[in-house]
Order: sequence, then C-alpha cells, then structure tokens
Amino acid sequence: QVQLQESGPGLVKPSQTLSLTCTVSGGSISSGDYYWSWIRQPPGKGLEWIGYIYYIGSAHYNPSLESRTTVSLDTSKNLFSLKLSSVSAADTAVYFCARGGPSGDFDYWGQGTLVTVSS
Amino acid sequence: QSVLTQPPSASGTPGQRVTISCSGSNSNIRRNTVNWYQQLPGTAPKLLIYSIGQRPSGVPDRFSGSKSDTSASLAISDLQSEDEADYYCAVWDDSLKGVIFGGGTKLTVL
Repeated sequence: QVQLQESGPGLVKPSQTLSLTCTVSGGSISSGDYYWSWIRQPPGKGLEWIGYIYYIGSAHYNPSLESRTTVSLDTSKNLFSLKLSSVSAADTAVYFCARGGPSGDFDYWGQGTLVTVSS
Repeated sequence: QSVLTQPPSASGTPGQRVTISCSGSNSNIRRNTVNWYQQLPGTAPKLLIYSIGQRPSGVPDRFSGSKSDTSASLAISDLQSEDEADYYCAVWDDSLKGVIFGGGTKLTVL
C-alpha cells in the first residue's frame, strides 16, 4: 500500500520561499510509470493543482504558478519536493501531495499540511 | 471562478439517487477523461471515479460516472448518511495545459 506524508514549516513569511517534502513509502518513486503531484486547498475553498513531476524527473506546472514553482525528485530518499517562491497571504492553504499527473486521477494522497503565510 | 462549473450544493434523503454535474468545454471534458473525488471534512480527497466510469478498488458501485459532450455527471444511488461530503470533478485542459478542478459541490444528506 503506497503512503504519502507531507512535511515542512507550517508558517512562512511573505516574500519568502515555501518548501515542502513528500515522503513516499510502500513503493519506489522511481519505478513504474507514475507522476507525482502537489495540490493545494485554501481554507474553505476548492482544490488547485500546482504541478507534477514524472518518475524520470521531468516536471510540468500550473501556468498560473509556473514562474514561482519548482518540483523535484530525490530518488535516494524516495521523496519529492515543492518550492514556491515569493509567497503572499494568497498562498495560505493546505498542501497535499498525491500520486498522479496529466490524467487527473490522483489515486494516493498525503493527509495534507497547512501552510500559513504571515509575518 | 473555475473553468469547470459544478453546482455549489446538492441534497437528498437516504435511499435516494442524486446526481452532481460538471460543465466544461471542448478543451477539457470533450477531449479528456473526467475524474471525481469525494472529500470528507478535514480529510484528503479520495478518488471515486476515473477514466469517466471506472471505480478504484473499494469504492461502492453506488457511485457511477458518465460524460456527454462537454459535461460530466456523478451519480450516487441509495444515498447514505456517510456520503455527506464535498465532491469535485477534475480533468486535463488542453488550452490551459494543466489539470483543473471544478469548484466543488457540497452534498447534504437530509
């Protein structure tokens, strides 16, 4: 059974970079034809896809966030990461990591982690 | 304002059949597979339907999905109290070049 777990700071200051990690267990992140995604949900609002990375390392981002987003893989630690730069209060959200990509079928999810942007 | 339009709310009584719609366009629903998610309060979304009408292991066959032209629907039959949740559709958009979600529908079981 694949399991995902997000980790990272729960509070980030405006204009700084939000950094989160998603550790995958129950399977290798670099085996199989899988994509790995980040998705967020502002409090009380809907879901927004941020970006995905393919198991071979190529990434694709939401065009509305692309200039500020980097998703990377660390196959030695079986995890993938999100960096979102120049954050503002509008980036306050629960951030989820999930397995899935361009087909939009995210079959395994982390529990989510709340990141608040505030000084 | 989402590119995919869902009704903000829906309701039904136990045992009833309810449907939730997801309206899109040529660049998303018409051309690509539609997925549906259930999100219980305080939890991560759960994949309910993928590739239009397929159910992951463990999802009851009370849940079904369909698509016609630029719209998709999720049907829940024999409604149960534990179905009370938020439901989202999701699909790839060829114009936006990304995965998009509907705004979500809050289902209340009366």
